Amino acid sequence: GAGVSQSPSNKVTEKGKDVELRCDPISGHTALYWYRQSLGQGLEFLIYFQGNSAPDKSGLPSDRFSAERTGGSVSTLTIQRTQQEDSAVYLCASSLDRDFYNEQFFGPGTRLTVL
Amino acid sequence: GESVGLHLPTLSVQEGDNSIINCAYSNSASDYFIWYKQESGKGPQFIIDIRSNMDKRQGQRVTVLLNKTVKHLSLQIAATQPGDSAVYFCAEGKGKGGGFKTIFGAGTRLFVKA
Repeated sequence: GAGVSQSPSNKVTEKGKDVELRCDPISGHTALYWYRQSLGQGLEFLIYFQGNSAPDKSGLPSDRFSAERTGGSVSTLTIQRTQQEDSAVYLCASSLDRDFYNEQFFGPGTRLTVL
Repeated sequence: GESVGLHLPTLSVQEGDNSIINCAYSNSASDYFIWYKQESGKGPQFIIDIRSNMDKRQGQRVTVLLNKTVKHLSLQIAATQPGDSAVYFCAEGKGKGGGFKTIFGAGTRLFVKA
């Protein structure tokens, strides 16, 4: 079956511009996560959605970052007024439900380059 | 999280040998541990997990060992193959009642020499 998909796969933008990154989770998965991975580093948690509950935004690095999840499915991560330090691979993952022990399935990521 | 910058710890092994990748985790309250494999240009892929009430779990060619006393986790890969070349991440978290956040380590790069 289809896995987690993300778009675009690559995004190059100029400093100060806004960008939107999209994640389509696996159908039926109610939990969705966003992570950021800088070059040669581990994954940094950003935000978590579970069903209709309020998202946990505690990992967002600044108020320039926001995310939405519409209809409990597709999610968009928005970065406003991008900075060069925002350059990274942004990974989305989904899991079956809120039970923490469920496996997270990752998408291929969006590579963001801020010039 | 912790960062080792551009220079990930690297393990180089001969094809057919066994590999052992080590990880030190940070939170003694963590009760769930996962190993992920990440190939170049792809997202992480689940390999094996273990809960804190166990000290060993085996999968196909992989074994995870957990030592809670010293907060150490290891991944053993038997008969390492070229396709095992990737970056391996350990992750820790706290399950029910502790939220869902998964804290990832910085990763270890495994090179398999043919």
